[in-house]
Amino acid sequence: EAQVTQNPRYLITVTGKKLTVTCSQNMNHEYMSWYRQDPGLGLRQIYYSMNVEVTDKGDVPEGYKVSRKEKRNFPLILESPSPNQTSLYFCASSPSSGRRRETQYFGPGTRLLVL
Amino acid sequence: GQQLNQSPQSMFIQEGEDVSMNCTSSSIFNTWLWYKQEPGEGPVLLIALYKAGELTSNGRLTAQFGITRKDSFLNISASIPSDVGIYFCAGRADNYGQNFVFGPGTRLSVLP
Repeated sequence: EAQVTQNPRYLITVTGKKLTVTCSQNMNHEYMSWYRQDPGLGLRQIYYSMNVEVTDKGDVPEGYKVSRKEKRNFPLILESPSPNQTSLYFCASSPSSGRRRETQYFGPGTRLLVL
Repeated sequence: GQQLNQSPQSMFIQEGEDVSMNCTSSSIFNTWLWYKQEPGEGPVLLIALYKAGELTSNGRLTAQFGITRKDSFLNISASIPSDVGIYFCAGRADNYGQNFVFGPGTRLSVLP
């Protein structure tokens, strides 16, 4: 089954404790992206990657890091989480060319609470 | 950065009614997308629009790319309970990138 998986689905942590949210896709997609979703604001892009070893900032990258060492994985790293990073996070992937590139497949989401 | 506005923010309708919602931008977009998000899930793409004036249907859903390229509309006919969810519009300004701006969403509730 074609899917995007995220782990963990729920996470409670404390300020300053480094954490990583993993994202993996099995569709051989070149493009992967991270979003955060906050009430009333929709989805805002954090970072994206056009392919292995190619990453770039989205609209709200401050406080986050990413890496793309393998095509299927795109982890999101919070080196020193702060309470304003409490949010619902989504990973997404899509092909990088052709009309199907509009079809982003989203993961199930990771709900993060930073105390 | 670019922002999208969606209206209404939320709506309660009776099963069987038709639904209309829209999305507006202060800047021009070349691609418009409509997504639906159900509770506990990620968004799922419903319809993609690629040129001004385009009208595209997906079952009971119909979406239009506004002539000004600054807006888009989504209509749902004969609503059913499983239409419940949050509907997001998303726009892309350039033809080659893959970075979309999302609206804040319209929350739809369908009363039996």
